[in-house]
Amino acid sequence: DQQVKQNSPSLSVQEGRISILNCDYTNSMFDYFLWYKKYPAEGPTFLISISSIKDKNEDGRFTVFLNKSAKHLSLHIVPSQPGDSAVYFCAASAHQAGTALIFGKGTTLSVSS
Amino acid sequence: GAVVSQHPSWVICKSGTSVKIECRSLDFQATTMFWYRQFPKQSLMLMATSNEGSKATYEQGVEKDKFLINHASLTLSTLTVTSAHPEDSSFYICSAREGARLAGGETQYFGPGTRLLVL
Repeated sequence: DQQVKQNSPSLSVQEGRISILNCDYTNSMFDYFLWYKKYPAEGPTFLISISSIKDKNEDGRFTVFLNKSAKHLSLHIVPSQPGDSAVYFCAASAHQAGTALIFGKGTTLSVSS
Repeated sequence: GAVVSQHPSWVICKSGTSVKIECRSLDFQATTMFWYRQFPKQSLMLMATSNEGSKATYEQGVEKDKFLINHASLTLSTLTVTSAHPEDSSFYICSAREGARLAGGETQYFGPGTRLLVL
């Protein structure tokens, strides 16, 4: 049973436009959420995180929104740049229980110039 | 940000041999390290959680006698794939959690990964 779901395997966006990557989760115990970016044959790079006490966290071009009632979070990248092309993983944990991160399957973002 | 290294980055070995992969946190102490495995076009699958000075906790379906984990210090964890077979060929990634669990979350920092090919 997949606890973290990224239903869109791929997304194509033009440079300068907004990229919106979505993630849904099923475990109501999750209270910490992260987004990672990954290039082929490299380890994931931490991008941005949000705890369940917030509904928005912003860091430069990256903003993560959390809708707890819908068990949904999204990553907004604006403006998108060709260098943003990568696989983006959503991850969640129940930090009070000390669980490891549970990852979604990832969404491949392609930003064209 | 925190840096995690892995060594080697690439390894090719014969079936039946053992391979050791090292994971180091370079500028912070990691009480907990995690080992993941990724197959092509698949998500990261957690194999085991490694706590310094204690036995690793393995996920369901992961053979602890095949994937030996040692977390000997606060900056080093090793994964040894024993008697490797071609089906063990994969991309192995470690991560380290900086410090203890604190209110506000627990960011993990990942190593660059190790590509294992068993012939």
